[in-house]
Amino acid sequence: QVQVVESGGGVVQPGRSLRLSCAGSGFILRNYGVHWVRQAPGRGLEWVALISHDGVNEYYSDSLRGRFTISRDNSQNTVSLQMNNLGPEDTAVYYCAKGPREFWSGVLIDCWGQGTLVTVSS
Amino acid sequence: DIQMTQSPSSLSASVGDRVTITCRASHGITNYLAWYQQKPGKVPNLLIYGASTLQSGVPSRFSGSGSGTDFTLIISSLQPEDAATYYCQKYNSAPATFGQGTRVEIK
Repeated sequence: QVQVVESGGGVVQPGRSLRLSCAGSGFILRNYGVHWVRQAPGRGLEWVALISHDGVNEYYSDSLRGRFTISRDNSQNTVSLQMNNLGPEDTAVYYCAKGPREFWSGVLIDCWGQGTLVTVSS
Repeated sequence: DIQMTQSPSSLSASVGDRVTITCRASHGITNYLAWYQQKPGKVPNLLIYGASTLQSGVPSRFSGSGSGTDFTLIISSLQPEDAATYYCQKYNSAPATFGQGTRVEIK
């Protein structure tokens, strides 16, 4: 069964940093493009970032570029999202999600994790 | 960047009704348009990609159409389990922007 699993969420003070991780089971994560999408409480989906299967290409939401960095360690089969200088507006469930095909450069999402909650509060 | 605008933002309909949700892109995206369903407290689920291709396992009462800038999601006969928020998303290139969502409520 294909599953994407996020970890690393929690409560963090404003101005601090947090690193989220994403792992896969039932498939080889390093063969897929991986996205991060977030959803603030009671709000819609906001696309955050995408990294290509080989890690060569990274894409970001314009509003988050410079504070958030997506990366991957294909030797460990994980993808990370480094979030810096967090503010209350970053409070959200953060979903890791994968593309539908191996070694594909497209941007479609077909499988989502359960999400990890990040709360930015003093 | 291309903006995605959905309408309406919410609707209420009865079981058996035909429901139409529209999504407009600020610039053409050919058919690189996906629809997701998110039930309360649940993870989004891919319904349609390529503007009109039904994802495996999705009931045939769901259909999608459109190309360029204007797209439509139709639920031909609304069922109680279709109560959810529906999002369109462009995926021709990053950023993979979502529409703001359409909440569907059952009367």
